[in-house]
Amino acid sequence: NAGVTQTPKFRVLKTGQSMTLLCAQDMNHEYMYWYRQDPGMGLRLIHYSVGEGTTAKGEVPDGYNVSRLKKQNFLLGLESAAPSQTSVYFCASSRPGLAELFFGEGSRLTVL
Amino acid sequence: QQQVKQSPQSLIVQKGGISIINCAYENTAFDYFPWYQQFPGKGPALLIAIRPDVSEKKEGRFTISFNKSAKQFSLHIMDSQPGDSATYFCAARTGSNYQLIWGAGTKLIIKP
Repeated sequence: NAGVTQTPKFRVLKTGQSMTLLCAQDMNHEYMYWYRQDPGMGLRLIHYSVGEGTTAKGEVPDGYNVSRLKKQNFLLGLESAAPSQTSVYFCASSRPGLAELFFGEGSRLTVL
Repeated sequence: QQQVKQSPQSLIVQKGGISIINCAYENTAFDYFPWYQQFPGKGPALLIAIRPDVSEKKEGRFTISFNKSAKQFSLHIMDSQPGDSATYFCAARTGSNYQLIWGAGTKLIIKP
């Protein structure tokens, strides 16, 4: 009964380093999302995917890239990390057209 | 026009009291209004949701009141309990691409 699993849960990076966050879901959902959560700003959509092999930009896509090579996985990449990318990142998945998103437990990223 | 404005930012309520969180929107194309609950260290989870053709929806101690003409909706938590202490997010779904627009969140603390 895993649902949505994010790895790693915590990571500290230096400015300019790169990294990838992995999201895996076992609910056979078509849609997957990456959000960032910052104090007082709610959840902001970075990128999303409506199916395997497709991705689309959300509200705050700059500095991030994503890939959805397999239906169950959605990867979020930072090519050159900046302190402004210090945040908690959440992955979510859903069935098409529904507003019930299932979230992972988050990945806390600190960029020094 | 895509924003959802949520208030208050934080709220302290005595055990047994009524907690009220408000949200307002501008876009009349929104077609679904969910509330999510988030506990520390966890991802948000769907709590209750309403469609704009309904003025009120109740699930246990949680009630959504919806005022279409005023473009406002609110979450009422009756008989608030310490276990309700969490951050609450309202959201609105756009009918065109089914993406959620999120409020900034309300941190609710129930004092025993």
